[in-house]
Amino acid sequence: DTGVSQDPRHKITKRGQNVTFRCDPISEHNRLYWYRQTLGQGPEFLTYFQNEAQLEKSRLLSDRFSAERPKGSFSTLEIQRTEQGDSAMYLCASSLDGTSNKQYFGPGTRLTVT
Amino acid sequence: AQSVTQPDIHITVSEGASLELRCNYSYGATPYLFWYVQSPGQGLQLLLKYFSGDTLVQGIKGFEAEFKRSQSSFNLRKPSVHWSDAAEYFCAVGARGGGNKLTFGTGTQLKVEL
Repeated sequence: DTGVSQDPRHKITKRGQNVTFRCDPISEHNRLYWYRQTLGQGPEFLTYFQNEAQLEKSRLLSDRFSAERPKGSFSTLEIQRTEQGDSAMYLCASSLDGTSNKQYFGPGTRLTVT
Repeated sequence: AQSVTQPDIHITVSEGASLELRCNYSYGATPYLFWYVQSPGQGLQLLLKYFSGDTLVQGIKGFEAEFKRSQSSFNLRKPSVHWSDAAEYFCAVGARGGGNKLTFGTGTQLKVEL
């Protein structure tokens, strides 16, 4: 069990640029979640995948955000035309399908938009 | 919609003293309940979870939590705090069924005085 990994750990970008983050879940986990955490707040749900299918998206996920999980393994989260309000920690989690919903979190990608 | 309230933003305790962190939830049925801990630069680590059955659940690092349906609460306790417990603690509620997404509280920052 190598855990959930995320890359990069830190990203500084200028407003208007596009950024992409990667998440590698625990290998046998078929559910993958993205959350966003801003300073002083708890994580907020963005979207989740079961295998390669994106099954739910939060209203927080504006049309500038897109997430993919093309082969049901790793996932990418892209933010287009970044804004200063996008500055946050982006967390990925994975879990096994079923009723227990024990989600394992990665270390996160901290995005700073200048 | 599900929600979580953690009424204490900051708590300071002396090392060796007992600890209780409060969590109240709102959910239409019996929820899944979780406590996570987050240290600076680290991802969220699961301390314990409640799914069903015994309302007193034991977790890692000597933590326990009690589910009280009548009070919609899931408070976290530890009989003797260690300096290494200083971190931010998040309570979360998970929906049963669907994507099992987690809804987090705003967190409680624990400071331990030596």
